Amino acid sequence: DSGVTQTPKHLITATGQRVTLRCSPRSGDLSVYWYQQSLDQGLQFLIQYYNGEERAKGNILERFSAQQFPDLHSELNLSSLELGDSALYFCASSVGLVLDEQFFGPGTRLTVL
Amino acid sequence: GIQVEQSPPDLILQEGANSTLRCNFSDSVNNLQWFHQNPWGQLINLFYIPSGTKQNGRLSATTVATERYSLLYISSSQTTDSGVYFCAAPYNQGAQKLVFGQGTRLTINP
Repeated sequence: DSGVTQTPKHLITATGQRVTLRCSPRSGDLSVYWYQQSLDQGLQFLIQYYNGEERAKGNILERFSAQQFPDLHSELNLSSLELGDSALYFCASSVGLVLDEQFFGPGTRLTVL
Repeated sequence: GIQVEQSPPDLILQEGANSTLRCNFSDSVNNLQWFHQNPWGQLINLFYIPSGTKQNGRLSATTVATERYSLLYISSSQTTDSGVYFCAAPYNQGAQKLVFGQGTRLTINP
């Protein structure tokens, strides 16, 4: 158990819908990261927050957004869902900004039908 | 940014065998991590190893930063070692976002 929690574990929804994935980092960690794992693209970085502020962005679609709340939990919002958004979404956390080991949550498996 | 390549893509072994997985990266690194993704999809941290050698039970890892590669050794393999092994390094020296290799799928047969 990494100490990072994610909910829900599984999510099945239809095209065009909107979903919210939730992540709680390890106790004491200030950085939260979101990654997407799909069959064709592998594991890809989406976005990083540090202590409530966005710090880095990857190939995150405009239909996707995220935020980190004062209690440091984070939410990833996916809207206007398409079949290709079906993937495993991981949240990771680390203590600070650089040179820190990242620990991953169990992931949320999203299926868009 | 950095590119990360892993080899071999697939490895099938009998229980008890030893294996070496390789990770090459295109630029110098200040952080390198190895993960095991089990059949349930969980990503488990194995090593945080920007340089040098570390050991944890039957697993060990070595990173030679100057030559831009890292190796993961698994000795006396068990069926529970099956899964996909990933290495990951930061996109560049000032970044925290990790770039993952495509993984090595390891299958240990009883």
